[in-house]
Amino acid sequence: NAGVTQTPKFRILKIGQSMTLQCTQDMNHNYMYWYRQDPGMGLKLIYYSVGAGITDKGEVPNGYNVSRSTTEDFPLRLELAAPSQTSVYFCASRGVETQYFGPGTRLLVL
Amino acid sequence: AQSVAQPEDQVNVAEGNPLTVKCTYSVSGNPYLFWYVQYPNRGLQFLLKYITGDNLVKGSYGFEAEFNKSQTSFHLKKPSALVSDSALYFCAVRDMGNTGNQFYFGTGTSLTVIP
Repeated sequence: NAGVTQTPKFRILKIGQSMTLQCTQDMNHNYMYWYRQDPGMGLKLIYYSVGAGITDKGEVPNGYNVSRSTTEDFPLRLELAAPSQTSVYFCASRGVETQYFGPGTRLLVL
Repeated sequence: AQSVAQPEDQVNVAEGNPLTVKCTYSVSGNPYLFWYVQYPNRGLQFLLKYITGDNLVKGSYGFEAEFNKSQTSFHLKKPSALVSDSALYFCAVRDMGNTGNQFYFGTGTSLTVIP
């Protein structure tokens, strides 16, 4: 039982490049979330999903896209990377009462 | 709108002393409150939650939290701090009123336990 896994752990992007952050959970949770964490700002919700095929925007969705084709996977797509997207990204899934977080992806956009 | 506030960016405490990390909340309806801990280069880990029932909630690693409805607070406590407790602590509230049951996090409090 691996819980929530994320890849890659670290990535450097050039301005304007695109990439996909991968997230997989093996707990059969319907609810999944993407957050970004910036120093002194806590976690901000980017997108969430309540089940396969259903996604919705969170607080800070601009510049990102998601898809949810299976219960297990919830990839986050960055199109046209910008320096403002430099952050640490966390994926989470929710069980009955609480969330379980992945180890994070550290992204640097230069 | 749901929100939580952590008024202290940094808390320092000597090893063996009691510790408190503060959190206040603003919710419509009954609060679902959580504490998470984050160690360096790791994701957040669940510590404890308050849903209903006793105001004193016990969680992992000897931590507890006291729910105070009149003061809208949910402070995290531990009777005797360990150096290994040094980490970043987040308070969160779960919004039961929207589709995603979203969690709203505070800005975090960095706890340093001094040997």
